[in-house]
Amino acid sequence: QSVLTQPPSVSAAPGQEVTISCSGSSSTVGNNYVSWYQQVPGTAPKLLIYDNSVRPSGIPDRFFGSKSGSSATLGISGLQTGDEADYYCGTWDGGRRVFGTGTKVTVL
Amino acid sequence: QVQLVESGGGVVQPGRSLRLSCVGSAFTFGHYAMHWVRQAPGKGLEWVAIIAYDGTNIYYAESVRGRFTISRDNFKNTLYLHMNSLSVEDTAIYYCAREDYGEYYFDYWGQGTLVTVSS
Repeated sequence: QSVLTQPPSVSAAPGQEVTISCSGSSSTVGNNYVSWYQQVPGTAPKLLIYDNSVRPSGIPDRFFGSKSGSSATLGISGLQTGDEADYYCGTWDGGRRVFGTGTKVTVL
Repeated sequence: QVQLVESGGGVVQPGRSLRLSCVGSAFTFGHYAMHWVRQAPGKGLEWVAIIAYDGTNIYYAESVRGRFTISRDNFKNTLYLHMNSLSVEDTAIYYCAREDYGEYYFDYWGQGTLVTVSS
């Protein structure tokens, strides 16, 4: 039921940078803020980015977000082994909330 | 610190009912909208339902509308999800999550409770 499309997986070596796209429509990403969540296997999701590009307290600046039109992007620079996880974008459509399909980040 | 603790999960037969609970602590529960989000085994996140801070506004995902009911008791700092007519497709970890007033993101999540629908 996801209406936000993400690539299934991305990978890079430690220290490198990856970007994850989140594609929606004018009723979702195009006109609303986007948030991003990190989910390490076996644990609950954790807020990484809100309002397109704002990091909550405690989130390192290696994580950054942006939005253009109906697409949003999460970037992770200086990749670390601890960044291996699933990442989801999220936004809303009317009163309902929607998530992306999820992207698995692998550190080679 | 802020905590959300879910309970009530378990194994249930298709067609039966189950009620989940989520207790919040270390914050003013009645000031926040609350959500249920689920995750089927090996799958992505699926938003289920939202209830406004005062219970006045409620929305459901199409996949559960008419079968699930979200409610809250702000005096008990507790969120509920009443699930009826369960099917195997409802098998998932169910998370409760908090959303601040006027915001549209989940800033805190519970650890989840597993619901398995099986005969």
